[in-house]
Amino acid sequence: EVQLVQSGGGLAKPGRSLRLSCAASGFIVGDHAVSWVRQAPGKGLEWIGFIRSKPYGGTTEKAASVKGRFTISRDDYKGIAYLHMDNLKTEDTAVYFCARERTGYGTSGSDLWGQGALVTVSS
Amino acid sequence: QSVLTQPPSVSGAPGQGVTISCTGSSSNIGAGYNVHWYQQLPGTVPKLLIYDTNNRPSGVPDRFSGSRSGPSASLAITGLQAEDEADYYCQSYDTSLSGVLFGGGTKLTVL
Repeated sequence: EVQLVQSGGGLAKPGRSLRLSCAASGFIVGDHAVSWVRQAPGKGLEWIGFIRSKPYGGTTEKAASVKGRFTISRDDYKGIAYLHMDNLKTEDTAVYFCARERTGYGTSGSDLWGQGALVTVSS
Repeated sequence: QSVLTQPPSVSGAPGQGVTISCTGSSSNIGAGYNVHWYQQLPGTVPKLLIYDTNNRPSGVPDRFSGSRSGPSASLAITGLQAEDEADYYCQSYDTSLSGVLFGGGTKLTVL
């Protein structure tokens, strides 16, 4: 089955770290860019960033709100993309989605989404 | 400030049509960057509805269509059905941000 399965959410205190994983199955994740998007409770979608596929350099672009704190990486051999979040703030509380982009370059339309992982940042 | 502006809500009766606008600027839609549209049914993950401004992924009914004019894009839905009731989001790249923008979302109510 073609799917993205997320893991790693949970409760963290402000200033701590969390890592989210996004495991792909049923397709070659190395052919696609992978995006991360979050949705705070009752709010709209917020783009966090993406990582291009290796043929496009495997480079990342991130939103200003998370630059310097969040890192996006990928292990195409394992078929997993990661979102590593450092120095978490209460405003990072949200459901985090990973999503497959249609192409390897960047945002080209996210045609497959993970189920979402709730991250709650609270003391 | 770079934003994509959507109306907070639209509504229509079953069988009717609605249009959802997404107004950007010269650094995103107006610069020619593609627009993508997503549908998020209550309690579910977003679903790609339109990519590259006016293309439908396989499985998306042709009742959904996208267009662009200048710095704005639109999603048109014809023959409204109860199951179309959802939140709709536009998305585009913004060169001044070197990043991606989502519109604020539009809640569609089928009366």
